[in-house]
Amino acid sequence: AQSVTQLDSHVSVSEGTPVLLRCNYSSSYSPSLFWYVQHPNKGLQLLLKYTSAATLVKGINGFEAEFKKSETSFHLTKPSAHMSDAAEYFCVVSDRAGGGADGLTFGKGTHLIIQP
Amino acid sequence: SQTIHQWPATLVQPVGSPLSLECTVEGTSNPNLYWYRQAAGRGLQLLFYSVGIGQISSEVPQNLSASRPQDRQFILSSKKLLLSDSGFYLCAWDRDPNQPQHFGDGTRLSIL
Repeated sequence: AQSVTQLDSHVSVSEGTPVLLRCNYSSSYSPSLFWYVQHPNKGLQLLLKYTSAATLVKGINGFEAEFKKSETSFHLTKPSAHMSDAAEYFCVVSDRAGGGADGLTFGKGTHLIIQP
Repeated sequence: SQTIHQWPATLVQPVGSPLSLECTVEGTSNPNLYWYRQAAGRGLQLLFYSVGIGQISSEVPQNLSASRPQDRQFILSSKKLLLSDSGFYLCAWDRDPNQPQHFGDGTRLSIL
């Protein structure tokens, strides 16, 4: 069985400083990993995905994440935070063999706060 | 391109009233469809998913039900709403198990 741990429920950074949102996973297989962003009262928007290609994945809005198999981590980073980055972020692991929800696990989310 | 629509965006209902939330997907065929609920300040809870017309899998026992009358239509229903049914309901779809899900904009349901 797989699991996802987002190590921080809240992260607060100043505008213009780097962002680090941490995600650790466990999986019996070679998983696909995703980061989503959710702004208030909105659906989840895909930021980036890892599907066994390059371990450093670049996403939208300047975000990137590095898949580290030895550390079972998939941390999300951004060099310089912007006020518009304030949102909830979800790390997701998928090692599904077919359609449906078995093998799909969402993290509990990290609330990113940007200080002016 | 593919799109997903949910409606209504917000809904206020009294306790004991019925519920019907609708989700439709355009631009793809035979998608896997999902209903999630998100309580205030919390993560996502999977309620139902469907891999085909008339095929519904329930993840959590409750007074909600789901139906898939057409390939790209997914409906969440209740005969009698409870206060605990309040929350943010999200519909999602995917085609490939190793590709990401795509989410609708959600329905904010408030029970009075």
